[in-house]
Amino acid sequence: DQQVKQNSPSLSVQEGRISILNCDYTNSMFDYFLWYKKYPAEGPTFLISISSIKDKNEDGRFTVFLNKSAKHLSLHIVPSQPGDSAVYFCAASGDTGTASKLTFGTGTRLQVTL
Amino acid sequence: NAGVMQNPRHLVRRRGQEARLRCSPVKGHSHVYWYRQLPEEGLKFMVYLQKENIIDESGMPKERFSAEFPKEGPSILRIQQVVRGDSAAYFCASSPIRLELRADTQYFGPGTRLTVL
Repeated sequence: DQQVKQNSPSLSVQEGRISILNCDYTNSMFDYFLWYKKYPAEGPTFLISISSIKDKNEDGRFTVFLNKSAKHLSLHIVPSQPGDSAVYFCAASGDTGTASKLTFGTGTRLQVTL
Repeated sequence: NAGVMQNPRHLVRRRGQEARLRCSPVKGHSHVYWYRQLPEEGLKFMVYLQKENIIDESGMPKERFSAEFPKEGPSILRIQQVVRGDSAAYFCASSPIRLELRADTQYFGPGTRLTVL
C-alpha cells in the first residue's frame, strides 16, 4: 500500500527552466511533508518542508506547494541548475503518535541538461 | 561538525551469516531511525529508537531483525541468518528532538549497502 506516490520516475529539464516534481498521498492523517534530494551513493539530504496549515513554503530557488483537498504537493525549482540533477523523494509524517516515522515516495530522477 | 556516520559503507555476506550495521548519530542527537531502500524503491521506515529505548518498530520484519541504541556507542541494526532478499541500502537518520515539534528534520547518513550472496 503506497501511501505516498511519485508517479513520474524521471524528468528532464533544460538548465534555467523550471522543474516541477509532483507527489500525491492517500493518508489523510499526514500533516507534515518534506522533500529530500539524493545523489548516488549518498544519503538523502533535506531540502524543504511544509506543514498542512500552509499551502506554500519558499526557500531560495525551491518552493513547495500543498493542495490538501487534492492530497497533492509539488516541488518547484527555478531556475534549474545542472547540480540539481539527483533523485528527489517526497516524504510525509502524521499525527498518529508515531509522527517521527517518515513515509517516502519512490522518487523522481531529475536530470537538468545544458 | 560530523554528520551521521554509518559503517561499513559496503557489506557482503553469504546466506545464513549475520550482518551488523552501525550508526553514529550527529553529536548531541538522541533519536535514531533506520530505513531500508530496496532497488528501485523509496525508503521504508524500519525502527525508531532513543537511547536505550525502542520507540516504534512497526517497520521491522518480525524475525531475524533487531536494533539497539545503547547508552554509550553507536546504534546497531542486526540481521541474523541473512537471505538474498535482505540485499538493500540501509540508511540511518538522527534528530535532536521529537519531530512533532516540527522544529527539526531527520539527518541521514550515507547508508550501508548490504549484498547477500
